[in-house]
Amino acid sequence: EAQVTQNPRYLITVTGKKLTVTCSQNMNHEYMSWYRQDPGLGLRQIYYSMNVEVTDKGDVPEGYKVSRKEKRNFPLILESPSPNQTSLYFCASSRSRGGSAEAFFGQGTRLTVV
Amino acid sequence: GQNIDQPTEMTATEGAIVQINCTYQTSGFNGLFWYQQHAGEAPTFLSYNVLDGLEEKGRFSSFLSRSKGYSYLLLKELQMKDSASYLCVHSGGYQKVTFGTGTKLQVIP
Repeated sequence: EAQVTQNPRYLITVTGKKLTVTCSQNMNHEYMSWYRQDPGLGLRQIYYSMNVEVTDKGDVPEGYKVSRKEKRNFPLILESPSPNQTSLYFCASSRSRGGSAEAFFGQGTRLTVV
Repeated sequence: GQNIDQPTEMTATEGAIVQINCTYQTSGFNGLFWYQQHAGEAPTFLSYNVLDGLEEKGRFSSFLSRSKGYSYLLLKELQMKDSASYLCVHSGGYQKVTFGTGTKLQVIP
């Protein structure tokens, strides 16, 4: 089954404690991205990757890091989480580099930073 | 940046037809998507328009007018399970994808 898998689904952490949210896709997609979703703001892109070792900033990259060492995996790293990073996070992948193909989303990770 | 406007909330009756409108800035257009998102769940793809006109897919149809920067999603024969948020998404080419804040549709009996 074609899918994007994120882990964990729920996470409560304390300010400053480094964390990683994993994302894996089994569709051999080149393009992957991370979004955060906050009430009234819609999904905002954090980082994206066009292929292995190729990543770039989205609209709200501050406080986040990513890596793309393998095509299937695209982890999101919060080196020093803060309460304003409390949000619902989605990983997505698509086959197109040009924004013309549908995106497949992971189940979401609800992060709370206290 | 790209501004996408769509109504915040709509209510419609089971079995009826509802149209959800979306307007966007026309510069750098590469396509217009619609996604459905149930509360707390991942968005799922509904439709993609790149040329003017109507695309029909079962109970769902999507329309695009590039010159007017306008799209709508039409849902027919509404079912209770259609209660969800509907996201209008503008693709501005080479990786630039902008999500609207979504229209929360409530289907009532």
